[in-house]
Amino acid sequence: AQSVSQHNHHVILSEAASLELGCNYSYGGTVNLFWYVQYPGQHLQLLLKYFSGDPLVKGIKGFEAEFIKSKFSFNLRKPSVQWSDTAEYFCAVNEGGSGGGADGLTFGKGTHLIIQP
Amino acid sequence: NAGVMQNPRHLVRRRGQEARLRCSPMKGHSHVYWYRQLPEEGLKFMVYLQKENIIDESGMPKERFSAEFPKEGPSILRIQQVVRGDSAAYFCASSPQRTQYFGPGTRLLVL
Repeated sequence: AQSVSQHNHHVILSEAASLELGCNYSYGGTVNLFWYVQYPGQHLQLLLKYFSGDPLVKGIKGFEAEFIKSKFSFNLRKPSVQWSDTAEYFCAVNEGGSGGGADGLTFGKGTHLIIQP
Repeated sequence: NAGVMQNPRHLVRRRGQEARLRCSPMKGHSHVYWYRQLPEEGLKFMVYLQKENIIDESGMPKERFSAEFPKEGPSILRIQQVVRGDSAAYFCASSPQRTQYFGPGTRLLVL
């Protein structure tokens, strides 16, 4: 069975600081990887996704993530955060490859990010 | 293109009543998923459906919970004889193939 670990449950940063949120998964096969964001009072929105190819993935709002297969990691990064990035961030995974991709997602517990102005 | 629609957004039920949650996928999406989010927890997969078929229900509780996605109309998640532990946010997602897009959720409160 798959599992996803997000080690930082709460992160507090000042505006303009750099951000890195950790995500590790456990699954031996090919995976699809996702980061979703949930702003206060809103629904989950897709930030970025990785299916295959270039392990450095760029998403919306200046976010990027790097898939490191040897470390089973898919960390989220942003060079300079803004107050509006305050939100809950979720990493998710499902089985990839030609036969997969449509399965239900396994989510981490989320990281609550607070940006102080 | 409208996003994934869920209704109601908030639902209050007393113990023993039935809860029906509805989900209309995005236009052109044939895959529907239901997830549950308990307080301080991430989202947990419940069930994956395509039109008139349950593809994977490995995350569904064995009793009282059922889901359908009929040929016409929205997908329905049905919880019979609700208990306080069913209080949670229930999210629906739809997908054309690999990327899932989420609805706003239904917050169920069982009194």
